[in-house]
Formats: sequence, structure tokens, C-alpha cells
Amino acid sequence: IQLTQSPSSLSASVGDRVTITCRASQGISFSLAWYQQKPGKAPKLLIYAASTLQSGVPSRFSGSGSGTDFTLTISTLQPEDFATYYCQQLSSYPSFTFGQGTKLEIK
Amino acid sequence: QVLLVESGGGVVQPGRSLRLSCAASGFTFSNSGMHWVRQAPGKGLEWVAGISSSDGSKKDYGDSVKGRITISRDNSKNTVYLQMNSLRTDDTAVYYCAKWSGTYPLYYFDSWGQGTLVTVSS
Repeated sequence: IQLTQSPSSLSASVGDRVTITCRASQGISFSLAWYQQKPGKAPKLLIYAASTLQSGVPSRFSGSGSGTDFTLTISTLQPEDFATYYCQQLSSYPSFTFGQGTKLEIK
Repeated sequence: QVLLVESGGGVVQPGRSLRLSCAASGFTFSNSGMHWVRQAPGKGLEWVAGISSSDGSKKDYGDSVKGRITISRDNSKNTVYLQMNSLRTDDTAVYYCAKWSGTYPLYYFDSWGQGTLVTVSS
């Protein structure tokens, strides 16, 4: 299963609302997770099961979608949100593929 | 809290072998499946290998490493390993271990180590 994220990069300002999309090459139900990665750091789980917020993650992050089309939304961008975001499908065990990433930069 | 600490990375020549370790603490290790994910310099995340919980009887590998890499676990040491043989220059990456959580089909990787860098170069 291939995952395609769009856009590959995005410039936005603090306070903006941002949406990143992830499209799967075939239906994966709700088996999708989103991660945030900052330079030199390990990925951090934000959302799993397409829309469940991981404990401790700010509520400005939300996820939606099912089947083949998914979105990650940041409602009000904060300075600490500038990072690279990856989706991951966990439907076709064992190949838990990742999207290519979306780099969110400061405008 | 959950802590995963990778070790064993370094510089190695093409064709040689290396074994990575990931020491776990803060959770019942034997109850969790574990995975290795790698990231080549400036690139995205690539799933490498996974091992089931308990006896680790189920193991699986990414296409790019199949036949060259073996994942294993030692529950007495709370450690998961990645044995890498016949290393190639395109195996150069930071290797992360990750804890596998959730129930089928709603899985996720909820904790990650800090990563260990493997550089394959002559």
C-alpha cells in the first residue's frame, strides 16, 4: 500500500489553520497514524486510528478520514508546530509504510 | 515512563555486519511487539522490521532489507536486536526502534528511541 501526502512542503504563519492530506493506494479503513518529527529528533505520535488524539498532544491537532483519504489539521499554528509530518498506514501488516512527509515551514 | 535506548551504530565498510540493540524500560516488554524504522540522511521514514510480542515467533521485514537483516528479542534483557549483514551504502541511516501498540487493525507506534546512526562507507 502506497501513501501519498500533499503538499510535500507548506509555508504558513503562526495562528494559521493548516491541513495536510494523506491518500492511500487502497482502502485501509481507519488504520492510519500521524507523526510529527523535528530536526534531529525521533518521530512523535500525534494521532492514531485516523482520529484519536494521543495522550498529551494538544487539542489543536485533529485527524479525520477513512478508507483512502485522510487529513491532519492544525487549527491554530503555534511556533513549536513547525516540523515535518508523516502519515503511516498500519493496515497491511507487516509492511507498515509511511508517507513521504510534509515539511511545515514558517512563512 | 517508557524509554527506548538504541545502541550499536557506527561506521562500517560495505559487505560487513553490524548488530543494533534497543534497550527498553518503563513497560512490560514481553507484552509488546517492537519495530525498527530507519531514516536515510535528509529522507523520510522507512519501516525496516517488526517482531511480535511474547516469544517473538512472528517476524517480518521490509523488501529492501529482506534476506540481509534479522530481528530478534530477549525478554530477559528487555532488548530487541537488529542483526544487519551484507551492508550496503544505501543502508546508511538513523535507525529507530519503536514500541508497537494498539489492537488489530488499529495499531500505532507510540514510543520511539532517540535513534542510532549507521554509516556504511569504505
